Amino acid sequence: GDSVTQMEGPVTLSEEAFLTINCTYTATGYPSLFWYVQYPGEGLQLLLKATKADDKGSNKGFEATYRKETTSFHLEKGSVQVSDSAVYFCAQRGTGGYQKVTFGIGTKLQVIP
Amino acid sequence: DADVTQTPRNRITKTGKRIMLECSQTKGHDRMYWYRQDPGLGLQLIYYSFDVKDINKGEISDGYSVSRQAQAKFSLSLESAIPNQTALYFCATSDGPQETQYFGPGTRLLVL
Repeated sequence: GDSVTQMEGPVTLSEEAFLTINCTYTATGYPSLFWYVQYPGEGLQLLLKATKADDKGSNKGFEATYRKETTSFHLEKGSVQVSDSAVYFCAQRGTGGYQKVTFGIGTKLQVIP
Repeated sequence: DADVTQTPRNRITKTGKRIMLECSQTKGHDRMYWYRQDPGLGLQLIYYSFDVKDINKGEISDGYSVSRQAQAKFSLSLESAIPNQTALYFCATSDGPQETQYFGPGTRLLVL
């Protein structure tokens, strides 16, 4: 079945460090891919998305590229801030009719000053 | 004001009690969802509803029931709570296929 794999973390970085959170997926066909972010005490909110191969989603300095050949959608940011501390969820949604969203387990990021 | 609200935000109950978690939205979306979040497991879908008359089971519906009272309201009930239902519960909405989901702030439930 459809699945999403990401490391649980926590990932601890110093402010201004480069961030990569890996995400790989298994799916039938070509799903839409998402990164959601959950700040402490809040619900998830969409960070970025990509709907077809080679698309790049970007928002708030974060980027992720839909790589069909490696079935990946890694999240990157060139210079993290303390305010980026949160849990990041990779997710996929299939095509055709109703396809539920499958979430990864979430990666906790802690940025220290 | 928040587009998706959940009440209560925190709840402690005892084994065997019936409880209801409520969700309201002002986004005008037809689709609503209930998820459960557990550490190390991510989010699991409990129930989803495409409109008031269309309710579907998700991957972990056993022990739960739902009611879609109106387009804007979707309630989750635990008929007889058990300790392994202790978790963080999220309501979400969306508008049509391939769309973004909008989440409420969550309800933290502890079953003793």
